[in-house]
Amino acid sequence: DIVMTQSPDSLAVSLGERATINCKSSQSVLSSSNNENCLAWYQQKPGQPPKLLIYWASTRKSGVPDRFSGSGSGTDFTLTISSLQAEDVAVYYCQQYYSPPITFGQGTRLEI
Amino acid sequence: QVQLVQSGAEVKKPGASVKVSCKASGYTFTGYYLHWVRQAPGQGLEWMGWINPNSGGTNYAQKFQGWVTMTRDTSITTAYMELSRLRSDDTAVYYCARGAEVGKRDGMDVWGQGTTVTVSS
Repeated sequence: DIVMTQSPDSLAVSLGERATINCKSSQSVLSSSNNENCLAWYQQKPGQPPKLLIYWASTRKSGVPDRFSGSGSGTDFTLTISSLQAEDVAVYYCQQYYSPPITFGQGTRLEI
Repeated sequence: QVQLVQSGAEVKKPGASVKVSCKASGYTFTGYYLHWVRQAPGQGLEWMGWINPNSGGTNYAQKFQGWVTMTRDTSITTAYMELSRLRSDDTAVYYCARGAEVGKRDGMDVWGQGTTVTVSS
């Protein structure tokens, strides 16, 4: 199984400041078929289901604010929120869909 | 719009089974994998498996093999997840989520609202 490890476990950032969350996979999730990384980022607020923010490591889902961006390749990935807003308080998860079993990181709690 | 609507909360005794439904609308049901993910109280996300609604084929996480059954009824665009021999540590919110187009890879872009399953004697 591919193990996904996020850092940090929790993060406190001031409004308007940058937040950075890291995700490391135990093996490469780069697909040879399309040269894309099979890595997604989700946001989950209390009492709600997860919401897809980023897929293919850096493609923002339609409707997601452009302050959210994803980067990285191979085994190391980053989710960046360029200017933190109050509504961004949530738990963030990375996920690999390169090969079953699909696996998630343990989550990073983002606070203000 | 694309939507997944799950069945209501369940309370079960240890050893019983639970069957959760997930009604899909707004897209071609047979064209996309349907995943099941659970989340224990205060914990992270755990993938249980997927079903290909077109073929009925499944791929279960090893942990759940022999214990979970995923099915679908294409006539009513509904997927089901049945978990047997319930234990107290199966208490969780169970989500269905739309995955990639069949034959492809992608994230899970639409999620059901979640179904709380409580296992208690």
